[in-house]
Amino acid sequence: AQSVSQHNHHVILSEAASLELGCNYSYGGTVNLFWYVQYPGQHLQLLLKYFSGDPLVKGIKGFEAEFIKSKFSFNLRKPSVQWSDTAEYFCAVLAYGGSQGNLIFGKGTKLSVKP
Amino acid sequence: DTGVSQNPRHKITKRGQNVTFRCDPISEHNRLYWYRQTLGQGPEFLTYFQNEAQLEKSRLLSDRFSAERPKGSFSTLEIQRTEQGDSAMYLCASSARGGRVAGSTDTQYFGPGTRLTVL
Repeated sequence: AQSVSQHNHHVILSEAASLELGCNYSYGGTVNLFWYVQYPGQHLQLLLKYFSGDPLVKGIKGFEAEFIKSKFSFNLRKPSVQWSDTAEYFCAVLAYGGSQGNLIFGKGTKLSVKP
Repeated sequence: DTGVSQNPRHKITKRGQNVTFRCDPISEHNRLYWYRQTLGQGPEFLTYFQNEAQLEKSRLLSDRFSAERPKGSFSTLEIQRTEQGDSAMYLCASSARGGRVAGSTDTQYFGPGTRLTVL
């Protein structure tokens, strides 16, 4: 069965620090990859997505992610975090050829940014 | 607001009661999904519809759960004879077109969820 692993449960950073959140998935076929963010008290919002083409994708609010097929990874990065980035981040995979349409989520990484 | 909406936002019920949640997807989205999220976990897929057809159900969806999308627009999720283990956030998402070809634009947009507490 497909699965998604997010390496860090809780990350604490100071403002202006760089961020990298790890995400690995287990599926050998074609995938679409997503990062969603959930700010406190709000619903899940799409941060960025990868379908095909350039493996480096840019999302909203200065986030980017790199798809490395050989490593089954899709890590999220931001060069300089802000206090407003405090949120929970979820990596998700849509596996084609497997389950027909459902997203498989990781357990999430809670990011706390200290002002 | 033209996003996915869910009602009610909170539901408290006693064990053994039936509950029903409603989801209104983004207009023109033909796919609608239900997920469940418990504390410390990511959302877990329950079921999805393409138009009015229910195309897939997770093994998480026991026979006490039923979902409908009668006219291909809004959807309802009913839980019969609720148990304390059903306490969770129930999320709805919708997407457009929903292709199975790599590179399709099957992006799911989520609603705010319905938080169910079973006492």
